[in-house]
Amino acid sequence: GAGVSQSPSNKVTEKGKDVELRCDPISGHTALYWYRQRLGQGLEFLIYFQGNSAPDKSGLPSDRFSAERTGESVSTLTIQRTQQEDSAVYLCASSLPQRGAGELFFGEGSRLTVL
Amino acid sequence: GDSVTQMEGPVTLSEEAFLTINCTYTATGYPSLFWYVQYPGEGLQLLLKATKADDKGSNKGFEATYRKETTSFHLEKGSVQVSDSAVYFCALSSLEGGYNKLIFGAGTRLAVHP
Repeated sequence: GAGVSQSPSNKVTEKGKDVELRCDPISGHTALYWYRQRLGQGLEFLIYFQGNSAPDKSGLPSDRFSAERTGESVSTLTIQRTQQEDSAVYLCASSLPQRGAGELFFGEGSRLTVL
Repeated sequence: GDSVTQMEGPVTLSEEAFLTINCTYTATGYPSLFWYVQYPGEGLQLLLKATKADDKGSNKGFEATYRKETTSFHLEKGSVQVSDSAVYFCALSSLEGGYNKLIFGAGTRLAVHP
């Protein structure tokens, strides 16, 4: 499809396990974002990738969280040793690199439940 | 840092009622302002935006005016429909770090009943 694709759509895991979430952005979109949405709360910025520039990791909540992106394609968000407070919907978005007025296109998210 | 505050929900209205969802912001410089909507089971999508003071964004009968003097961007619709039931997020485009990072409010759930 032409939109942002995320997988898995749902993931249930046990506390302490590692999880990997995948995002496939819109073709041609050089900017890619990860956000976290906890139940009943707003979107929390996690990380931003722009082309081959160094990513902005300022929103990652702990060193258990990491993300990679190869060039301008797929990104993976990895959470190690998951905790119950990691339960949330993880949203990926992509955009053209338009400063200030660009529209972000969101995927439907990956819902993570840590038991 | 930059931030967005929007009214808490849920907002419950009858069909054809007037809607206002308040949004205020704090930012350095002159950010662009957005309303995003999340329909049940779908991803967030842009509803409307305004890029400078006094601009009015509009789409699907919704409107919001960028008010620099009150640092506000309230969302309005004259006559809501059941299909407008969704979660609405106000956001600003922060240029912290030199790029287009969106900062979102907590979201306001709207429920419209027939």
